[in-house]
Amino acid sequence: QVQLQESGPGLVKPSGTLSLTCAVSGDSISSGNWWTWVRQPPGKGLEWIGEIFRTGSTNYNPSLKSRVTFSIDKSTNQFSLKLASVTAADTAIYYCARKVVIPSALDHWGQGILVTVSS
Amino acid sequence: DIQMTQSPSSLSASVGDRVTITCRASQSISSYLNWYQQKPGKAPKLLIYAAASLQSGVPSRFSGSGSGTDFTLTINSLQPEDFATYYCQQSYNTPPWTFGQGTKVEIK
Repeated sequence: QVQLQESGPGLVKPSGTLSLTCAVSGDSISSGNWWTWVRQPPGKGLEWIGEIFRTGSTNYNPSLKSRVTFSIDKSTNQFSLKLASVTAADTAIYYCARKVVIPSALDHWGQGILVTVSS
Repeated sequence: DIQMTQSPSSLSASVGDRVTITCRASQSISSYLNWYQQKPGKAPKLLIYAAASLQSGVPSRFSGSGSGTDFTLTINSLQPEDFATYYCQQSYNTPPWTFGQGTKVEIK
């Protein structure tokens, strides 16, 4: 079955860069799906960060576009997120997820990882 | 960006009740609307895609309807495991794929 697992530091200093990786099993990162990041500040709703395709093509949320970079590693079947110049407002649970093209829905999610921005 | 507005933000219901949650888009999104369920401390789970199609493994007491700008998630005969927060998400045309603010279903 398809599984996704986020990993990375749980604490990042203000003005630093948040870096997370999502390991995919049960599906190939080179399949025809999009690989997605979503975040959720504590006690709040879901925010779509963006998505990346096997070709490296990306779509980012305009609100974060200037600070976010996605990458994909076919050799390890992983994809990654980097968010620069973080502030306390970036403190959130970060989820990776698979988006199937038809019907364009997030059908598998990682368990999430809490990242706190604090000095 | 397309804005998604859910109502109510929260509701209290009893086991066995029928519950209806609505989601309104700021412009027509055809049937490109998904519903997710999120329990405390867990990742969201896909319930309904394309407005009315039930994801595999989801109980048939969940149903979705609507098209254009107005959508509904209905839970028939609410079960104890259904107490959770529900989110709609649009996937129409171009990103960003926005979520509603969520509806928390609590025990009365």
